[in-house]
Amino acid sequence: GNSVTQMEGPVTLSEEAFLTINCTYTATGYPSLFWYVQYPGEGLQLLLKATKADDKGSNKGFEATYRKETTSFHLEKGSVQVSDSAVYFCALYYNQGGKLIFGQGTELSVKP
Amino acid sequence: KAGVTQTPRYLIKTRGQQVTLSCSPISGHRSVSWYQQTPGQGLQFLFEYFSETQRNKGNFPGRFSGRQFSNSRSEMNVSTLELGDSALYLCASSSKTDRGETQYFGPGTRLLVL
Repeated sequence: GNSVTQMEGPVTLSEEAFLTINCTYTATGYPSLFWYVQYPGEGLQLLLKATKADDKGSNKGFEATYRKETTSFHLEKGSVQVSDSAVYFCALYYNQGGKLIFGQGTELSVKP
Repeated sequence: KAGVTQTPRYLIKTRGQQVTLSCSPISGHRSVSWYQQTPGQGLQFLFEYFSETQRNKGNFPGRFSGRQFSNSRSEMNVSTLELGDSALYLCASSSKTDRGETQYFGPGTRLLVL
């Protein structure tokens, strides 16, 4: 079946460090891929998306490229800030299915 | 545009009771999906409604039900609550654009079952 696997956390980085959170997926066809972020006590916020192979999603300094050959959608940021501390979720979605399939989430902690 | 709103934000119930949660989607969005988030199981899909019809359903017992009204607002109901139903319940609304569909989430309702 369709599934998403993320690297385990927590990931602890110093401010201004480079961030990579790995995400790989198993899916048939051509799903859209998403990264969502969840701050403590809040719902999920859309961070970025990509709808087809080789698409790059970007937002607030975060980037991820839809790699069909490696079935991956790794999240990267060149210089993290303390305010980026949160839990990050990778997800896949089929249009008109109404159902996001999430990875288990990766907690990021950024220290000053 | 106002975002997705959910009420109530917090709820405490006892085992055996039932509960109704409400979700108001972003204006113009016709699809509403519900998810359960727990530390052990992560984010799991409950069901999705589109134009008042359930279009997709996750693997949850029949105690979990939902509906959608003509104004796209949605409710979910859990009957005969169990301790394991304690969770954050998230609602998301979506619309179709030329870049596909994107789900936008509300802040969630945190349910505690005692």
